[in-house]
Amino acid sequence: AQKITQTQPGMFVQEKEAVTLDCTYDTSDPSYGLFWYKQPSSGEMIFLIYQGSYDQQNATEGRYSLNFQKARKSANLVISASQLGDSAMYFCAMREGGSYIPTFGRGTSLIVHP
Amino acid sequence: GAVVSQHPSRVICKSGTSVKIECRSLDFQATTMFWYRQFPKKSLMLMATSNEGSKATYEQGVEKDKFLINHASLTLSTLTVTSAHPEDSSFYICSAADRQNSSPLHFGNGTRLTVT
Repeated sequence: AQKITQTQPGMFVQEKEAVTLDCTYDTSDPSYGLFWYKQPSSGEMIFLIYQGSYDQQNATEGRYSLNFQKARKSANLVISASQLGDSAMYFCAMREGGSYIPTFGRGTSLIVHP
Repeated sequence: GAVVSQHPSRVICKSGTSVKIECRSLDFQATTMFWYRQFPKKSLMLMATSNEGSKATYEQGVEKDKFLINHASLTLSTLTVTSAHPEDSSFYICSAADRQNSSPLHFGNGTRLTVT
């Protein structure tokens, strides 16, 4: 079974609008960390935001926020006020406490239209 | 933030030759480094995990004799693609982290390998 599931292969959003990228995860480890990365066409992986399994509040970093629903095992990324430069692949990833090796989802391609 | 330098960014080589890719952590000690391979518009596929001073742990299906990984110091890991073939053409990216599961991976900028 996949540990990280990103069901949206591609998403389109109008500039200045908000967009939500879905991520669900599967783990029996009570301690884990969830991460989102952005990969523009140039290839580098850019760390965006982190959510720990014991964190009480949803993580936020500037225009990025993470909608963490622990019972549903979902960690959706919300990008507010989309910009053209947000067009990229977005990957959700998890590191479990018992195994520090990260697991990545298949990614979502986001295209921001002017 | 932490910086990981990966070199070269692009390399073209002929079939049968070997190519070495370097991954350096510039401002922190990377006890663990991960090597990934990525096909176009696909996710990152973990090839191997290397720990400083010990042998790398390869994922199932990855040929250890084909993809030689050396992690000689806390700041340097290398991936050598031996006797490269066109099917080895891909995007290879390294990352470094400590063992805290709250720590994000810090990625190099990747190496685009083309084998002709």
